[in-house]
Amino acid sequence: KAGVTQTPRYLIKTRGQQVTLSCSPISGHRSVSWYQQTPGQGLQFLFEYFSETQRNKGNFPGRFSGRQFSNSRSEMNVSTLELGDSALYLCASSLAPPRRNTEAFFGQGTRLTVV
Amino acid sequence: AQKITQTQPGMFVQEKEAVTLDCTYDTSDPSYGLFWYKQPSSGEMIFLIYQGSYDQQNATEGRYSLNFQKARKSANLVISASQLGDSAMYFCAMRMGSGGSNYKLTFGKGTLLTVNP
Repeated sequence: KAGVTQTPRYLIKTRGQQVTLSCSPISGHRSVSWYQQTPGQGLQFLFEYFSETQRNKGNFPGRFSGRQFSNSRSEMNVSTLELGDSALYLCASSLAPPRRNTEAFFGQGTRLTVV
Repeated sequence: AQKITQTQPGMFVQEKEAVTLDCTYDTSDPSYGLFWYKQPSSGEMIFLIYQGSYDQQNATEGRYSLNFQKARKSANLVISASQLGDSAMYFCAMRMGSGGSNYKLTFGKGTLLTVNP
């Protein structure tokens, strides 16, 4: 059974550009969450999607957006990139909308560098 | 708001010895779940073990066990018989049980474990 697939693995972008990251969840999983990981702030929740609907959003500016498609694949977009957006972006999938005991399966992440 | 604290930025252990990684949490919600994840240098977060707030017994998964002390709000991870492949970052995380945005995973800062041969 294939795990969570994130593409691309590495990206280098210039300040002011926009970027789109992709996440394919485990087959049959309908919930996708995104997290940003930086050395300074650690792991922070970005947003969560279930059945193409954003159910929750973290405390990030509107430059960060996402969507989920009917096949449960998800994309996140960051517009007007800033140096501080350099981070490892992790996607996690789960079978159903997360509950307190829901295990999340993570991908290997996309490492974004903004120069 | 919920908070996870991992006070050990780095830990060293000899191969085949046991090691305990500390995690304390803060929440007023009686319903929550606690998770431990391992993150090797490749970046992927690997689920290790789960403990529910209402679980009476400490969770165990192979060489991993969770020392859950609810009154002290601690959920320490114990790794028995350490192996070189256990060298990685370890994160403690929590999900609340009350719904809405609280279902997100809240992570601690992590502990970097190094297993020496």
